[in-house]
Amino acid sequence: NAGVTQTPKFQVLKTGQSMTLQCAQDMNHEYMSWYRQDPGMGLRLIHYSVGAGITDQGEVPNGYNVSRSTTEDFPLRLLSAAPSQTSVYFCASSYEGELPLHFGNGTRLTVT
Amino acid sequence: RKEVEQDPGPFNVPEGATVAFNCTYSNSASQSFFWYRQDCRKEPKLLMSVYSSGNEDGRFTAQLNRASQYISLLIRDSKLSDSATYLCAILTGGGNKLTFGTGTQLKVEL
Repeated sequence: NAGVTQTPKFQVLKTGQSMTLQCAQDMNHEYMSWYRQDPGMGLRLIHYSVGAGITDQGEVPNGYNVSRSTTEDFPLRLLSAAPSQTSVYFCASSYEGELPLHFGNGTRLTVT
Repeated sequence: RKEVEQDPGPFNVPEGATVAFNCTYSNSASQSFFWYRQDCRKEPKLLMSVYSSGNEDGRFTAQLNRASQYISLLIRDSKLSDSATYLCAILTGGGNKLTFGTGTQLKVEL
């Protein structure tokens, strides 16, 4: 059982480049979410989804897009990377209405 | 005021010591409470849920004080392997949107 899988583990981008962080889960969880973690700021919610075709904004959505075309996948897109988006990104999932969240092992992104 | 606040530490304690962390929250309507453990450069992992009546799991005890709006985590007989960052997480409002504290770093030393 793979759980929540994130790719890539590490990424370096130049300012202005775009990329997609991948997240997949094999637990048939309805709820999926993206957090970023920065020193002194804790985990902050970027976007979340309660099911295929449904997405919503979290606390810090600016600069990020998401889509949820299947139950399994919840990619996070950076359209034009900025140095302020240098962070560790975690994807997390759970059954809707149930906790706790199950986290992927993270993507470390550096934007230069 | 932040929605969830934790003392960042670090708490440096000798092996065998008892250590306690608090996490305060601002929204009195908060519904569910959790403690996560995060090792360096790893993902957070659920340590324990926090129930109204308090709950214990081996050396770990979690308590909720709704009147004063905080949760606590007590670790007895600290082990070197307990060294990690401990994050509190709180559910407020509908859905599964957890709000996390910034974490408290624990270092257990010989």
